[in-house]
Amino acid sequence: QVQLQESGPGLVQPSQTLSLTCTVSGASISSGNYYWSWFRQPAGKGLEWIGRIHAGGNSNYNPSLKSRVTISLDTSNNHFSLKLSSVTAADTAVYYCARDSGGGSSPYMDVWGKGTTVTVSS
Amino acid sequence: QSALTQPASVSGSPGQSITISCTGTSSDIGGYKYVSWYQQHPGKAPKLLIYEVSNRSSGVSNRFSGSKSGNTASLTISGLQAEDEAHYYCISYTNSGPWVFGGGTKVTVL
Repeated sequence: QVQLQESGPGLVQPSQTLSLTCTVSGASISSGNYYWSWFRQPAGKGLEWIGRIHAGGNSNYNPSLKSRVTISLDTSNNHFSLKLSSVTAADTAVYYCARDSGGGSSPYMDVWGKGTTVTVSS
Repeated sequence: QSALTQPASVSGSPGQSITISCTGTSSDIGGYKYVSWYQQHPGKAPKLLIYEVSNRSSGVSNRFSGSKSGNTASLTISGLQAEDEAHYYCISYTNSGPWVFGGGTKVTVL
């Protein structure tokens, strides 16, 4: 059974870089035609897609966040990571990682982490 | 990024059927068969219900079904149950890529 678990600081200072890791168990992130994605959800609001990375290294980002986002794979530790720079209070949200099994075009996120809350505040 | 239009809320009585619409354009829903639906209970992660318009995800009740007509995709919940009370989101592939989201629909079981 594939499981994803987010981890990282729950509090980030404004203008700093938010860094989260998603540890994958039950599957290898370097095999299969999967993308590994990040989403976020501000309190009381809808989902927002942040970006994704393919096992082969190809990545896509939400245009509204692209200038501040980096997603990377660490195959040796079977996890993938999110870095979001120059954060503001507007980046406060629950952050989710997910496996995208749609092969690229199909938004088919079949496995999700439980989410981690990140607050941006001084 | 909420380029797909969903009703803010839909309600129904136990046992009834309800339908949630998700309206886009020919650049997304109308042009591709790549629409998925997710259920999210408060404080929980989203759960995949339907992918590629009408395919039910493994383990999902057959009370949930998906369809598409033109630029509008729909999720139907039949035999509404108290546990179906949640938010529901649609996502579609778009040619300005890769995806567009609906704003979410709150389903209330009366």
